[in-house]
Amino acid sequence: GAVVSQHPSWVICKSGTSVKIECRSLDFQATTMFWYRQFPKQSLMLMATSNEGSKATYEQGVEKDKFLINHASLTLSTLTVTSAHPEDSSFYICSAPLQGFYYEQYFGPGTRLTVT
Amino acid sequence: QKEVEQDPGPLSVPEGAIVSLNCTYSNSAFQYFMWYRQYSRKGPELLMYTYSSGNKEDGRFTAQVDKSSKYISLFIRDSQPSDSATYLCAMSEDYGQNFVFGPGTRLSVLP
Repeated sequence: GAVVSQHPSWVICKSGTSVKIECRSLDFQATTMFWYRQFPKQSLMLMATSNEGSKATYEQGVEKDKFLINHASLTLSTLTVTSAHPEDSSFYICSAPLQGFYYEQYFGPGTRLTVT
Repeated sequence: QKEVEQDPGPLSVPEGAIVSLNCTYSNSAFQYFMWYRQYSRKGPELLMYTYSSGNKEDGRFTAQVDKSSKYISLFIRDSQPSDSATYLCAMSEDYGQNFVFGPGTRLSVLP
């Protein structure tokens, strides 16, 4: 099956700093990738849709200036959490669908962000 | 009322039991229905996909969709300890757009 990787898997940063999370599709091209966050014992909440070569589409309530998304190539999307605060601590997961099979999203393993 | 609701669990069953996991939803425009399994500290993995109403079977897993009742189910036969995970339902109106996830049901299958 298709593989999506994320890096780093776990990051701890100080309040006020920025953190970049990478999402890569390893064996397929992804013109679209999705970014989710998940709080403990809660479901996935879609943050934004990342489109290769164009601006990301953010869900209502998600600050686009705080969560910068760049989809620079067909295999890489990045999420940068700027000026992180403790309330940004969460599990961030990306997913990418196979082209033509958008119901079949392949999820990355997630990145656990802890802001101190 | 949340758009997608799911029994939160946790649900504990003995090995070999038949498990029924359920979701209800309020948006009648949903057409695509998915079930994902998520192990602790891992990303979700797709188990089943169904379009519109009906049943779909894959090995020990059966997905059912009843659009008239706005109700979907995932059945697991002969449950195994390796099935212990959180199960998420997801649905969307349009092909590949705007997935809405349920909150998940945590399942433990006891040996």
